Amino acid sequence: GNSVTQMEGPVTLSEEAFLTINCTYTATGYPSLFWYVQYPGEGLQLLLKATKADDKGSNKGFEATYRKETTSFHLEKGSVQVSDSAVYFCALSYQGAQKLVFGQGTRLTINP
Amino acid sequence: SAVISQKPSRDICQRGTSLTIQCQVDSQVTMMFWYRQQPGQSLTLIATANQGSEATYESGFVIDKFPISRPNLTFSTLTVSNMSPEDSSIYLCSVTGQGGYEQYFGPGTRLTVT
Repeated sequence: GNSVTQMEGPVTLSEEAFLTINCTYTATGYPSLFWYVQYPGEGLQLLLKATKADDKGSNKGFEATYRKETTSFHLEKGSVQVSDSAVYFCALSYQGAQKLVFGQGTRLTINP
Repeated sequence: SAVISQKPSRDICQRGTSLTIQCQVDSQVTMMFWYRQQPGQSLTLIATANQGSEATYESGFVIDKFPISRPNLTFSTLTVSNMSPEDSSIYLCSVTGQGGYEQYFGPGTRLTVT
């Protein structure tokens, strides 16, 4: 079946630190991959996406590269800010966008 | 991306009652989806709301408990019926993006059942 596994949280960093949140997936076929972010008390926002192998998605200083050989889509940011504190979800879609499977989420807290 | 609104944003309900959640999109969309996010958990797809036909439910979710309507291409409702405290969750609707690969989410409805 299709599944997504994220590194367990919570993750706590200091401002301006380097961030990596690991995400690996299991899928049949060729899924699209996403990172969503959920700020406190809000819904999910699409942060970035990649639709084929070796694609790099990027937004707001965050990046993730679709690695088919390692079935991974790790989220990175070079210098985090307090405002990046949120829960981050890795997800994949199959059957076009009709089926979206989420990882368990990683809570990130950035301290000033 | 489409602008999605949900009503109510939150509610506190008594067990045994029902609540209907509305989802409105500012443009016509083919696919609409309903998700549940239990406290501290990830999202689980409840069903796909199809315009002009019955909703398609995922394993573990049934129409009697979560009836869904989709009267047109911009609107859908999800009813949580005969609620129990275990139904306390955030309920989110989503739509497919123009790229056809991603989904965009509404702000969610935070439901507490006492």
